Amino acid sequence: NAGVTQTPKFQVLKTGQSMTLQCAQDMNHNSMYWYRQDPGMGLRLIYYSASEGTTDKGEVPNGYNVSRLNKREFSLRLESAAPSQTSVYFCASSEELGGSQETQYFGPGTRLLVL
Amino acid sequence: GNSVTQMEGPVTLSEEAFLTINCTYTATGYPSLFWYVQYPGEGLQLLLKATKADDKGSNKGFEATYRKETTSFHLEKGSVQVSDSAVYFCALSSGGSYIPTFGRGTSLIVHP
Repeated sequence: NAGVTQTPKFQVLKTGQSMTLQCAQDMNHNSMYWYRQDPGMGLRLIYYSASEGTTDKGEVPNGYNVSRLNKREFSLRLESAAPSQTSVYFCASSEELGGSQETQYFGPGTRLLVL
Repeated sequence: GNSVTQMEGPVTLSEEAFLTINCTYTATGYPSLFWYVQYPGEGLQLLLKATKADDKGSNKGFEATYRKETTSFHLEKGSVQVSDSAVYFCALSSGGSYIPTFGRGTSLIVHP
């Protein structure tokens, strides 16, 4: 039982390049999330998926797109990377969005540097 | 809307000292409250939670009590260890909003 896995662990991009961050969970969770973590800013929600087939914008969606490929996988795409997107990206999952007792399970993170 | 406010860090302590990290919140409805911990280079993991007023969550020597009257969920530990050095996040989940809300995190540094 691996929990939440993310690839790659670390990536360097040049401004304007594109890339996709991959996330998968093996806990049969319905809901999945993408966050970014920046110094002094805590966690900010980029996009989330309440269930397979649905996605919604979070607090900071500009410059990103997501795909909920199936129940297990939720990818985050940067179409044209900018230095402001340098950050640590975390994927998380939970049993059900909106459940008042839900716990989120986090992946180990992807460290992205945009030059 | 929902919000979580944590004390700013870093909090620097000597080993075996008493720890308190303050957390207050505003929320619609009756939220569940959480503390997550992030060790260096890792993702967040649940430390403890409480789902209703006056509940106490506890784990690994850490405790926090859900205080509805003061809208607080302060994290405490009686004797910290070097291995407790990490960033601690207070969070809430409310049925009124489908988006979990996190505080900005408090860094704890424990010296031998």
